Amino acid sequence: GESVGLHLPTLSVQEGDNSIINCAYSNSASDYFIWYKQESGKGPQFIIDIRSNMDKRQGQRVTVLLNKTVKHLSLQIAATQPGDSAVYFCAENRRDTDKLIFGTGTRLQVFP
Amino acid sequence: NAGVMQNPRHLVRRRGQEARLRCSPMKGHSHVYWYRQLPEEGLKFMVYLQKENIIDESGMPKERFSAEFPKEGPSILRIQQVVRGDSAAYFCASSPSSSVGGGNTIYFGEGSWLTVV
Repeated sequence: GESVGLHLPTLSVQEGDNSIINCAYSNSASDYFIWYKQESGKGPQFIIDIRSNMDKRQGQRVTVLLNKTVKHLSLQIAATQPGDSAVYFCAENRRDTDKLIFGTGTRLQVFP
Repeated sequence: NAGVMQNPRHLVRRRGQEARLRCSPMKGHSHVYWYRQLPEEGLKFMVYLQKENIIDESGMPKERFSAEFPKEGPSILRIQQVVRGDSAAYFCASSPSSSVGGGNTIYFGEGSWLTVV
């Protein structure tokens, strides 16, 4: 039979508000993390990355925070816009490998 | 700059047929990754290749699936004798070299959507 996908967690925010998307990673050996944005029918688009020797990195309207103690990563989007509506994935690179492991994703819905 | 190019974007195959998905990495990139995505799910790693060399195929199903990245031409993901469960989006990504995280981010293509009927 057909496989049924898990329903993605959804974050709904009003246009202009700030958004915070969270991600827990599992492997303490991971030392590089990336946030991707995926719009419907498209491929993942790189947003921002951070290495484990940092705890914060800022881009244009986005900030990534890394808490290695609790293995938690977050993406903050300032002044969220309708164009930010998408599914957001965090991905981790485990040390000594050359592949990214993706989290399950969070759907961001922006309302006017 | 051209990004990662995948074709076909959409492919319909009957059960038992073969599917071939192609990927041309970004210019200057010599490493290719294939990922698979089911609806409402994350991307699952399948295989990682350099030119003429498979580096890591730990995510590839043991049967019917194969991948190559020849010296010339695109990388090919081949699925033989497709079944309905193979229906998914297949994404290719590329990076300039190994050591992801050592300044080498992975960039994705727009995907190939395979539907098996």
